[in-house]
Amino acid sequence: EVQLVESGGGLVKPGESLRLSCAASGFTFNDYYMNWVRQAPGKGLEWISCISSSGAYIYYADSIKGRFTISRDNAKNSLYLHLNSLTAEDTSVYYCAKGLRPHSSIYGMDVWGQGTAVTVSS
Amino acid sequence: DIQMTQSPSSLSASVGDRVTFTCRASHNISKFLNWYRQKPGKAPDFLISAASNLQSGVPSRFTGSGSGADFSLTISSLQPEDFATYYCQQTYTTPQTFGPGTNLAI
Repeated sequence: EVQLVESGGGLVKPGESLRLSCAASGFTFNDYYMNWVRQAPGKGLEWISCISSSGAYIYYADSIKGRFTISRDNAKNSLYLHLNSLTAEDTSVYYCAKGLRPHSSIYGMDVWGQGTAVTVSS
Repeated sequence: DIQMTQSPSSLSASVGDRVTFTCRASHNISKFLNWYRQKPGKAPDFLISAASNLQSGVPSRFTGSGSGADFSLTISSLQPEDFATYYCQQTYTTPQTFGPGTNLAI
């Protein structure tokens, strides 16, 4: 079964950092682009980052550029998102999601994790 | 960045109804438009890729169409599980962007 499981969310104070993880199973992880998408409470979906299958190509949304860092460890079938300088506006559920086709990000995301909640509050 | 708009923002319908949502991009995005359904408290479900390609396991009552900047999603006969929020997403260029969603309610 193809599965993605996020972890690492929690309650942090403004300005603090956090690392989210996404454990993948059931597919050849190093063949696929991986994405992070977030959703603030009561709001819509926001794509925030993706990383190519090898890790050579990385893209970010402007809203998080310079503060968040995406990475992957293909040997461990794991995706990460490092969140720095957090603000209340970063409070969201963070989802990892797999690209539909190997070595491509343009056909959408077919498998999603259950999400991990990040709350930024003093 | 490419901006996505969706209409209507909300819609009320009944089981068995046929409904159509629209999605518009601020620039030509060719066919690189995807549709997702999200039920409350759940991760999104991937319905349609590249404007019209129904994903494996998605019922045939879902149909996507369009190209360029204007797209639509039609559900031919609503089922109880279809009452949810629907998002379009462009993957023509980064940053990828989602529309604000259409909330389909009973």
